[in-house]
Amino acid sequence: QVQLVQSGPEVKKPGSSMRVSCRASGYTFTNFDVAWVRQTPRHGLEWMGYISAHNGDTNYPQRLHGRVLMTIDTSTNTSYLNFWPLTSDDTGVYFCARSQSMVGATEFDLWGQGTLVTVS
Amino acid sequence: QSVLTQPPSLSGAPGQRVTISCSGSSSNIGARFDVHWYQQLPGKAPKLIIFGSNNRPSGVPDRFSGSKSGTSASLAITGLQAEDEANYYCQSYDNSLGGHVVFGGGTKLTVL
Repeated sequence: QVQLVQSGPEVKKPGSSMRVSCRASGYTFTNFDVAWVRQTPRHGLEWMGYISAHNGDTNYPQRLHGRVLMTIDTSTNTSYLNFWPLTSDDTGVYFCARSQSMVGATEFDLWGQGTLVTVS
Repeated sequence: QSVLTQPPSLSGAPGQRVTISCSGSSSNIGARFDVHWYQQLPGKAPKLIIFGSNNRPSGVPDRFSGSKSGTSASLAITGLQAEDEANYYCQSYDNSLGGHVVFGGGTKLTVL
């Protein structure tokens, strides 16, 4: 079954960091890129960046530089999102999604179930 | 404030046709970047329903269609059904600020 399965919900303190995982199955992991998207009450859906499952290259939006790190473990077909320092504004659901490319207006054709992160 | 502007809410009766707009600018839709549409049911992840402005993934009913013109795009749903009640989001790319993926603020569609 083609799917992305994410780690469970987290409760974090302000100023701390978070780490969410996303495990792929049912397709050739290294043939695609992984996007991370979050959904917060204040900002709605926000793109957080891409990572290539092929070579680990990353592409982050300027507004998140210095706060985000995405990594890949090809031995387990898993992508990781690290994000810090957390504030209450970062409370929301974090999604991973499959992408054909890391450039331009690429669609996200497969999504993880989402991971709720509460900062309090 | 989202880069792409959508109406916050819309409603229609079963069987009707509704259109959801997505308004952008010269740095995103107007720069000829593709527009994609997602349907999100409560508590679920977004689901891709239109890609490349007017293409449907396998399994998406042909009641859903997309179009794009100038700096705007639209999602049309014909023969509205109760199961279409959901939030809908448009997505594109913006070439300002080093380039970034952008989403609309979402439209809550209610089937009366």
